[in-house]
Formats: sequence, structure tokens, C-alpha cells
Amino acid sequence: NAGVTQTPKFQVLKTGQSMTLQCAQDMNHEYMSWYRQDPGMGLRLIHYSVGAGITDQGEVPNGYNVSRSTTEDFPLRLLSAAPSQTSVYFCASSYLQGRQETQYFGPGTRLLVL
Amino acid sequence: DQQVKQNSPSLSVQEGRISILNCDYTNSMFDYFLWYKKYPAEGPTFLISISSIKDKNEDGRFTVFLNKSAKHLSLHIVPSQPGDSAVYFCAARDDKIIFGKGTRLHILP
Repeated sequence: NAGVTQTPKFQVLKTGQSMTLQCAQDMNHEYMSWYRQDPGMGLRLIHYSVGAGITDQGEVPNGYNVSRSTTEDFPLRLLSAAPSQTSVYFCASSYLQGRQETQYFGPGTRLLVL
Repeated sequence: DQQVKQNSPSLSVQEGRISILNCDYTNSMFDYFLWYKKYPAEGPTFLISISSIKDKNEDGRFTVFLNKSAKHLSLHIVPSQPGDSAVYFCAARDDKIIFGKGTRLHILP
């Protein structure tokens, strides 16, 4: 199993450009999430999905779109990049046992918006 | 408003001693709590968790304590080892997982 994979590893964008951060998992997990990590801010939840076709907003959803057409993939779209979106982005997939959720993270995508 | 708080940005502990990392939360709907460890340039990895129906969970050198009335949990690492130097995130779950800001742990030789 590859686990959770994220592409690209690193990306530089100009303000106003759009791009999609890819996330895929091969563990057949129902739950997937996107977080951003900024210095001194920890991990903040952007969007999450509890299954194919279902998405919801997290703590900091503005400026980002997501979709979940398959169980395996959960892409994160930046429609018009802003310098404030410079961050490290982590995708996670997880499964539930009752109320206990076990979460697996990808290696991250480092994004720089100029 | 921050729902999961880790008020110590960093902590230094001598190798072999006990490391205690603290976490407070505000949302009484949280019923599952987790600790993650993160090395630079890697994704976080799950360390240990505790359900709200318990007050202690132990896994080897790692023990998590939960005090629901105080809305406080702590992670104890004993004995601390050099490989424990990392950033530790506390997280809590209601219908999604929310993280604290993290505490950077330095294990001193």
C-alpha cells in the first residue's frame, strides 16, 4: 500500500493563478481531510469529506474548493491564489471504529504564492 | 476561537526524564482525543488516543491522561529519548478532528 500520496511536493504560484493539489489514498478509507500548517498556527482544517459525494467546510475554507467523486481521491483547488495561502498542505485519510477515528497523513505539499 | 489549546510552544527535557505535554479544550462535545508526532518535512503520525469514557491510556513509554471536568489532557513520555524530539500535536474530535498549535519537544543529551 502506498498509503496517502500528495502531488506536487512543492509548487510556486503567482498571485491570481489557479492550481489543484492532488491527494489519493489506497486504503479504502471513507474519511478524507485537508489541513494547512502555518508557523505558530498548528494544523488547521480546510475541508473534509465523510464519503464520496459528501464534503463539508472546516475551520478555514475560504479560497479553497474540494470535491470527492471517488473514495480514493480528494483534490483541493485554489481558484485564485493569494500570498496568504502560502503554507504547507497536508491531506489525511481515516477510518472510524465507533467514534474512534484513526487518521493517516500524506507527506505534504509546500506552496509558495508570490 | 481556538477549541484545542497547547499553551507551551516548546519544552526541553533531559534524556531519561519524563516529558509532560499539556492540552486544554473548550468544546464539551469532543469525545475522542489524539496525540500526533511530527518531524520536519514529514506528515504527522498518530501516537496515542483516548476516548472520553476513559481517564488514562497507556502504550509503552507513552501515557495519555484525560480530565474531563477540567477539559484537560496530558501526554507523558517516560523515559524520554533523543528520537522523541519533534513537534507534538494534541487533537480532538466531535464530527471532525481539530488540532492544537503544537508543542516542540527538545530532548537534551
